[in-house]
Amino acid sequence: GIQVEQSPPDLILQEGANSTLRCNFSDSVNNLQWFHQNPWGQLINLFYIPSGTKQNGRLSATTVATERYSLLYISSSQTTDSGVYFCAVETPRRSGGGADGLTFGKGTHLIIQP
Amino acid sequence: KAGVTQTPRYLIKTRGQQVTLSCSPISGHRSVSWYQQTPGQGLQFLFEYFSETQRNKGNFPGRFSGRQFSNSRSEMNVSTLELGDSALYLCASSLTVFTDTQYFGPGTRLTVL
Repeated sequence: GIQVEQSPPDLILQEGANSTLRCNFSDSVNNLQWFHQNPWGQLINLFYIPSGTKQNGRLSATTVATERYSLLYISSSQTTDSGVYFCAVETPRRSGGGADGLTFGKGTHLIIQP
Repeated sequence: KAGVTQTPRYLIKTRGQQVTLSCSPISGHRSVSWYQQTPGQGLQFLFEYFSETQRNKGNFPGRFSGRQFSNSRSEMNVSTLELGDSALYLCASSLTVFTDTQYFGPGTRLTVL
């Protein structure tokens, strides 16, 4: 199956710093999403971005599908940004409509210190 | 619009028992997927339902099963629980069966003793 690799696995920053998280995937994808998992386990959808660039406040994401990677940018980090950031991809569905679900990377554990 | 809800939020069971978890999707969403999250294996796809039909199943043993009702609510069942089934079980809903943004519930944390 498809491989999804995220880097770095851990990142510790001071409040106010900027960061770039990377997601590499090994095959063509229909769908790529970025999620933030808070300390209580809730996964929050950040971006649905199979290609191109999107921005939402201090966060932005870019996916270059032809080169099989996506980047998540966090600017002016706040302590509430702490948590685990996951990249998840969905491979092209099988004929007949079968769904393979999302394949997640191992995540980047981000700690923002005050 | 209310988000995805899951019940119960926490559950403690013993080996050999069975458990049923419930998921109510966002109103209007017809696709429900289930995922298991463990420290060792990370987030893994269990199965997806659309219009009461299981569309596909991940690589889990037959002890894991699910179903979807006509109102799109879904349940998953794990029979003959093992210690390794201890995990956070997450449910996600999306509007259609095709590629779409997935919205996750808060999860059910299952502990098997």
